[in-house]
Amino acid sequence: EADIYQTPRYLVIGTGKKITLECSQTMGHDKMYWYQQDPGMELHLIHYSYGVNSTEKGDLSSESTVSRIRTEHFPLTLESARPSHTSQYLCASSDPRGTGGNYGYTFGSGTRLTVV
Amino acid sequence: DAKTTQPPSMDCAEGRAANLPCNHSTISGNEYVYWYRQIHSQGPQYIIHGLKNNETNEMASLIITEDRKSSTLILPHATLRDTAVYYCIVRVGYSGGSNYKLTFGKGTLLTVNP
Repeated sequence: EADIYQTPRYLVIGTGKKITLECSQTMGHDKMYWYQQDPGMELHLIHYSYGVNSTEKGDLSSESTVSRIRTEHFPLTLESARPSHTSQYLCASSDPRGTGGNYGYTFGSGTRLTVV
Repeated sequence: DAKTTQPPSMDCAEGRAANLPCNHSTISGNEYVYWYRQIHSQGPQYIIHGLKNNETNEMASLIITEDRKSSTLILPHATLRDTAVYYCIVRVGYSGGSNYKLTFGKGTLLTVNP
């Protein structure tokens, strides 16, 4: 069963709308991440957080923003959605402690966003 | 992190062993080899990782060459549900540092055929 939850699973929305993609985890992980993936393409890290009130931009520039007010919650927001934002957004958390070198990543099922 | 090279696609018959290669000729002595897979655009799933010894778990085996410049992920009895993109990642293993990010490349699309 999943310990990291993303909602909604699918979202179709009009241009200019503000949207928030939700990501929550019940594992108490400090580290959380947002990846963006177009169909058939690589995953690209767009945001990450190493703890409450800590957020950083990832390797791929994104117009989205994130917040980390609670350990378990890492929402991603687009203030004004555009068709170029159409993609899949995957949330992950990690806890590498005591895992013998493993980064202990757990991914959510993703949100497939379509902006029309 | 060291660069990895994987074939873009491979086929395997159901019930047979699937052997997925990965080249990492610039790997450093403290870098591990990690394997993840992604089934049909779901979130990637951790499979296995290793430093220099061969490793085996309930999902797969990881064979690392003696010079550590390449490795092979082995799925001993592939099933249709093993059809996925498999990612080989090389980076420093977690040891209390401050960089926890993982970078995923293009991976290998393994198709298991009936």
